[in-house]
Amino acid sequence: DSGVTQTPKHLITATGQRVTLRCSPRSGDLSVYWYQQSLDQGLQFLIQYYNGEERAKGNILERFSAQQFPDLHSELNLSSLELGDSALYFCASSVAAGGGTEAFFGQGTRLTVV
Amino acid sequence: DAKTTQPPSMDCAEGRAANLPCNHSTISGNEYVYWYRQIHSQGPQYIIHGLKNNETNEMASLIITEDRKSSTLILPHATLRDTAVYYCIVRVLSGGSNYKLTFGKGTLLTVNP
Repeated sequence: DSGVTQTPKHLITATGQRVTLRCSPRSGDLSVYWYQQSLDQGLQFLIQYYNGEERAKGNILERFSAQQFPDLHSELNLSSLELGDSALYFCASSVAAGGGTEAFFGQGTRLTVV
Repeated sequence: DAKTTQPPSMDCAEGRAANLPCNHSTISGNEYVYWYRQIHSQGPQYIIHGLKNNETNEMASLIITEDRKSSTLILPHATLRDTAVYYCIVRVLSGGSNYKLTFGKGTLLTVNP
């Protein structure tokens, strides 16, 4: 158990819909990262938040957005869903800022768009 | 971050040492070598990291060549549960807050009974 909690574990939705994925980082971790893993693309970094502020952006679509709340949990919002958005979405957390040398990953949310 | 090259797949017999190579010939002086693994669709798991000295922990050993252009992850006594995709990643370890990891395709290690 990495200490990072993601909900829900599975999500099935229709094209055009909007979903929200939730991540609770390890206690004390200030940074949250979102990754997408699809069969043909491997693990792709989407976005990072540190203590509520966006710190780095990767290959995140404009239809996707994220935020980190004061209690440090994070949500990834996916809208106007397409079939190609079907993937595993992982959240990771790290201590960051002067400490922590590894990231801890949650067990992921499997999104299926039908 | 420097690019890495890993063999796409390797086999290992249960109980034997698994040696996973990684080439990172363009690594910079301030870049660390990290290893993660992912067991079938689970979240990636941190294994070990190092800068230039060899490192060992309860999971594995990391051997980095003197010129730092390549490294080897060693699982001393592989078990069936070590079957996974192993990722070698190089990145800067800074005092800042950016710990973004760039994953390549990794090596699928299959441990056979």
